[in-house]
Amino acid sequence: DTAVSQTPKYLVTQMGNDKSIKCEQNLGHDTMYWYKQDSKKFLKIMFSYNNKELIINETVPNRFSPKSPDKAHLNLHINSLELGDSAVYFCASSRIRGNEQFFGPGTRLTVL
Amino acid sequence: DQQVKQNSPSLSVQEGRISILNCDYTNSMFDYFLWYKKYPAEGPTFLISISSIKDKNEDGRFTVFLNKSAKHLSLHIVPSQPGDSAVYFCAASVGSSNTGKLIFGQGTTLQVKP
Repeated sequence: DTAVSQTPKYLVTQMGNDKSIKCEQNLGHDTMYWYKQDSKKFLKIMFSYNNKELIINETVPNRFSPKSPDKAHLNLHINSLELGDSAVYFCASSRIRGNEQFFGPGTRLTVL
Repeated sequence: DQQVKQNSPSLSVQEGRISILNCDYTNSMFDYFLWYKKYPAEGPTFLISISSIKDKNEDGRFTVFLNKSAKHLSLHIVPSQPGDSAVYFCAASVGSSNTGKLIFGQGTTLQVKP
């Protein structure tokens, strides 16, 4: 009965590859987010979707593309992976653009 | 431009004592503030929040204080327990923007010693 789940938990891949991270929430929330936590531990928002509509798109490279097939899912696809993409990626959800966000357990991406 | 700053990377307190975690912000448009707690290998979990119309909010052992003139907020944990040992993030948002965008500080690692 996990509220916000992400798969995979760990992802190790080579530079240049394309990979996806999946996120699902069963809280009935309308808004979902992707955050990146870099090596300095900063948590920075990347994207936000509300009912499948993109509402936040921070200055993220075009290689990152979120996909929301329905309001319970927000997947993150990354093309042509680079070393600097290595980080922990967190998915989160909230009521309609509510401030209290519920986070998934994170996906640790390592690019070799 | 780091709009939310937690200047103490770590804090160590004795069990039963008070833990005070601090956070400063620069954007005067922020009107909603939150504290999150994070254990290793887990996602952050919401702890407590405060709106800019208040200067204090209390929930059990946790109290958040907001000083708007100083652009400063703090989280008090009384009494501290070993299970409180975690990384604490403060976050801020412009609620009126209605985007849900949170700006996080870099976190403070709290260690509560038995």
